[in-house]
Amino acid sequence: DAGVIQSPRHEVTEMGQEVTLRCKPISGHDYLFWYRQTMMRGLELLIYFNNNVPIDDSGMPEDRFSAKMPNASFSTLKIQPSEPRDSAVYFCASSSGRPGELFFGEGSRLTVL
Amino acid sequence: GDSVTQMEGPVTLSEEAFLTINCTYTATGYPSLFWYVQYPGEGLQLLLKATKADDKGSNKGFEATYRKETTSFHLEKGSVQVSDSAVYFCALSVNYGQNFVFGPGTRLSVLP
Repeated sequence: DAGVIQSPRHEVTEMGQEVTLRCKPISGHDYLFWYRQTMMRGLELLIYFNNNVPIDDSGMPEDRFSAKMPNASFSTLKIQPSEPRDSAVYFCASSSGRPGELFFGEGSRLTVL
Repeated sequence: GDSVTQMEGPVTLSEEAFLTINCTYTATGYPSLFWYVQYPGEGLQLLLKATKADDKGSNKGFEATYRKETTSFHLEKGSVQVSDSAVYFCALSVNYGQNFVFGPGTRLSVLP
């Protein structure tokens, strides 16, 4: 199994630009999570889906952030417009539902100048 | 609300030293407890878990025991290696739910 696949691995953009991060979960996993990691705030859950339906988006920081899961094998996290404070590593993770067994991707490092 | 507290890092040890990373938790329900590890440039990986009181999780020489009376899940290893250098996260999920709460992470550096 290829694991959770994220793209791009690195993104450098200018303030005000739109950023789209992509994730392909492990086949057969019906939970998908988006996390953000920064030095100051640690690992924060942004949103998670079950069977492609958003279940909890209370961690999404503001309206500039949106996430979609159009099918079981693909999800996007979009930031529009981006700001320097959005600079972080964004992780996607998937799970089959067994307690605690989250499988993380390698992350997308975003730098907003 | 549910929360996880870990000892402040970084922790620096010499190879073959004994490791303890403290973790305590607060949970409203009945939590399952986990340790995840993040190697440089990678995502988090599940290291070990325990789903009920007095359970001991173990993997790769690491151990942690679920102590309900002290609400703790301390990570231990008898002899660390340079390859154990990473960030370690304690985490919980309540009532077998999918809402995981992660601690802030503890960075471990092992020197040869």
